[in-house]
Amino acid sequence: QKEVEQDPGPLSVPEGAIVSLNCTYSNSAFQYFMWYRQYSRKGPELLMYTYSSGNKEDGRFTAQVDKSSKYISLFIRDSQPSDSATYLCAINRSNDYKLSFGAGTTVTVRA
Amino acid sequence: DTGVSQDPRHKITKRGQNVTFRCDPISEHNRLYWYRQTLGQGPEFLTYFQNEAQLEKSRLLSDRFSAERPKGSFSTLEIQRTEQGDSAMYLCASSFGGVGQPQHFGDGTRLSIL
Repeated sequence: QKEVEQDPGPLSVPEGAIVSLNCTYSNSAFQYFMWYRQYSRKGPELLMYTYSSGNKEDGRFTAQVDKSSKYISLFIRDSQPSDSATYLCAINRSNDYKLSFGAGTTVTVRA
Repeated sequence: DTGVSQDPRHKITKRGQNVTFRCDPISEHNRLYWYRQTLGQGPEFLTYFQNEAQLEKSRLLSDRFSAERPKGSFSTLEIQRTEQGDSAMYLCASSFGGVGQPQHFGDGTRLSIL
């Protein structure tokens, strides 16, 4: 079993819809949570970073962490065609520098 | 902040050849990481440096792989005697500070083995 499981997608939504992306993890030692966006043939770009349970908002993006359920989510409001990309969740243990990634969810926002 | 820079962007080589990739991290970042990403998968950790010291290596990093970070600045990743299974995107990231600080990635080097 992988340390981080991510809903595989792909997702296709109309412009303006809310996009919901999810990951689960297996080890309660994971304490730091990140979401990255990756366009085709580009590197991952950091979108959101949090280390506590609850919600964190940044513009149209909301990251949600539930440590008791070992579940993290990313919501994109008012989605735009430019949001079409692969979204990766990534997590860190509290005593470890390496990131463990989900496999990524590819999102297409239709104009 | 010019971001993490990787060179070359794409490398095509024949099986059995040696290849070397370079990564220039964000200038004030003391930690540098190498990851490998294959199609449809998330990046997998290979190794990381704190300044010039290589502190951890994944079991994915066979003895054909070697990484260096002389003087704690840029880093190189060399693959000797390349194999078909080495075809992947090799990503470099850097960070500053303690555990949990976000890592910033370059655009990677895509390796294709003929």
